[in-house]
Amino acid sequence: EVQLVESGGGLVQPGRSLKLSCAASGFTYSNYVMAWVRQAPTKGLEWVASISTGGGNTYYRDSVKGRFTISRDNAKNTLYLQIDSLRSEDTATYYCAINTLDYWGQGVMVTVSS
Amino acid sequence: DIQMTQSPSSMSASLGDRVTITCRASQDIGNYLSWFQQKPGKSPRRMIYGATNLAAGVPSRFSGSRSGSDYSLTISSLESEDMAIYYCLQSIQYPRTFGGGTKLELK
Repeated sequence: EVQLVESGGGLVQPGRSLKLSCAASGFTYSNYVMAWVRQAPTKGLEWVASISTGGGNTYYRDSVKGRFTISRDNAKNTLYLQIDSLRSEDTATYYCAINTLDYWGQGVMVTVSS
Repeated sequence: DIQMTQSPSSMSASLGDRVTITCRASQDIGNYLSWFQQKPGKSPRRMIYGATNLAAGVPSRFSGSRSGSDYSLTISSLESEDMAIYYCLQSIQYPRTFGGGTKLELK
């Protein structure tokens, strides 16, 4: 059974950093392109970033370029999202997903507030 | 970036009704179009991929179609468990872009 379990969320002050993790199991993680998708409270879905199987290619939405870094550790079956210079508009539930979006994690909440 | 214009933003329907939700792409996306269902407090669930392919485990009352740059999700006979928000997504290029969502409620 495919499982994606996010962690690392919480309440953070504006300007600070946070690193989200996503532990993958039940499939050959290193063979799959992975993604992060977020959803602000009461808002729609927003693709954030994707990363190739080996990690050499990354893709970001414009509003997070330079502040977010997606990475992966294939030995640990784990996906990461480093979020720097947090802004209030980054407040959202962050979902880890296989890039085809056929499997999603349960989501982790990030709240940016002073 | 490719814009996905989804309509309607909300709708109400009765059990047994035929319901159709539409997305229009601002550029050619071929069949790189998926539909997702999201219920309150839950992660999204992929319902349709490749514009017309039913995802595993999805009831056959759901179907997807394409007419030019217009893509539709149809529920042939609405059931109570179908009340949710539905989103389309283009996956032909980065950045991936979702439609704004359609909230489906019971009349």
